[in-house]
Amino acid sequence: DQQVKQNSPSLSVQEGRISILNCDYTNSMFDYFLWYKKYPAEGPTFLISISSIKDKNEDGRFTVFLNKSAKHLSLHIVPSQPGDSAVYFCAASLYSTSGTYKYIFGTGTRLKVLA
Amino acid sequence: SQTIHQWPATLVQPVGSPLSLECTVEGTSNPNLYWYRQAAGRGLQLLFYSVGIGQISSEVPQNLSASRPQDRQFILSSKKLLLSDSGFYLCAWRQATNEKLFFGSGTQLSVL
Repeated sequence: DQQVKQNSPSLSVQEGRISILNCDYTNSMFDYFLWYKKYPAEGPTFLISISSIKDKNEDGRFTVFLNKSAKHLSLHIVPSQPGDSAVYFCAASLYSTSGTYKYIFGTGTRLKVLA
Repeated sequence: SQTIHQWPATLVQPVGSPLSLECTVEGTSNPNLYWYRQAAGRGLQLLFYSVGIGQISSEVPQNLSASRPQDRQFILSSKKLLLSDSGFYLCAWRQATNEKLFFGSGTQLSVL
């Protein structure tokens, strides 16, 4: 059961334009949503997060939007730069009976920013 | 500042051999610790997580086990590796008061 889905495996965007990465989820009990950037053979790097009680969070070129009724979130990168080329993972946190949060990840979207 | 160490970076093991991957966190106490695996071309699969010494939660039944012998040490093990155990293994940690999850640099495991 894939609770967090990233339906677009890849995306190409021209440098300077907006990149929009999408993520859908099924569990309404998720508390936080996070975005990570990953290069090959490296660990994911945290980008930005949003609480389930908010609908927007912005940090520099990165903005995350949350639509709870649609169970959908998106990451906007403006303007896109060649260094943004990487795989982006969406994740959601869920409180478990073990006394902590577990994090469920999507399958990732490979972003390529063309110079 | 907090740092997470994971080793080795790469590992090639024959089928049926044992496995031990170690992860340690510095600069914090009582971290929540996690093991993830990324199979080739796939997403990040949660394997185990821990809230404290000796406390392990397993997400997916499989050929692996985890242990937390010390507060900031998390170990992933297998008695006999399978071909399907190949993948990129990631350790991660978080502070209980913060929603952010931080990852180590990963171990690329190839089982041949």
